[in-house]
Amino acid sequence: GAVVSQHPSWVICKSGTSVKIECRSLDFQATTMFWYRQFPKQSLMLMATSNEGSKATYEQGVEKDKFLINHASLTLSTLTVTSAHPEDSSFYICSARFPRDSNQPQHFGDGTRLSIL
Amino acid sequence: AQSVTQLGSHVSVSEGALVLLRCNYSSSVPPYLFWYVQYPNQGLQLLLKYTSAATLVKGINGFEAEFKKSETSFHLTKPSAHMSDAAEYFCAVSNSGGSNYKLTFGKGTLLTVNP
Repeated sequence: GAVVSQHPSWVICKSGTSVKIECRSLDFQATTMFWYRQFPKQSLMLMATSNEGSKATYEQGVEKDKFLINHASLTLSTLTVTSAHPEDSSFYICSARFPRDSNQPQHFGDGTRLSIL
Repeated sequence: AQSVTQLGSHVSVSEGALVLLRCNYSSSVPPYLFWYVQYPNQGLQLLLKYTSAATLVKGINGFEAEFKKSETSFHLTKPSAHMSDAAEYFCAVSNSGGSNYKLTFGKGTLLTVNP
């Protein structure tokens, strides 16, 4: 079946650095990818929707200059957390939409746990 | 607008007992409904989905859910819990006509299974 790979799975870095998270669809072309943020013991909060070749659509309250999303190809989307601070620490999950797969609206990656010291 | 309410943030059952996780939805259009499972430090895995076909939906790992329009509910059940079922479960709703198939998730229910 369709697989979404997310990398890295865990990252720890110092406050002020920028962190890039990759989301790849391994065996299908994803026209749309989604980025979620999940706080401990809480639900997934949609951050943005990205379509290949166009600017991402951010949800209300999400800082687009803080969370840069690039969807340069049909198999790769990246989320860059710029000048990360401890409050950005969270679990980030991406998902991809495969239009021809009517069985699942989105295929999810395994997430990236980001810890900012 | 659409939303999902999961009643009970934590459900605890004994191994072999019935599992019942509750989900109520609100949607202005006929909904697509889903149940996902999340194991620690992992993404989401689809358990089952309702897309306006049969109201009783069977999924993986022995789970099933019944769509009840009159009650706006989509509760998840499993006759006999296994230790491996311990995880976080999310109910989600999607607008049937949306090209991006955005998902709106409930807050999740943590299922613990006691030996």
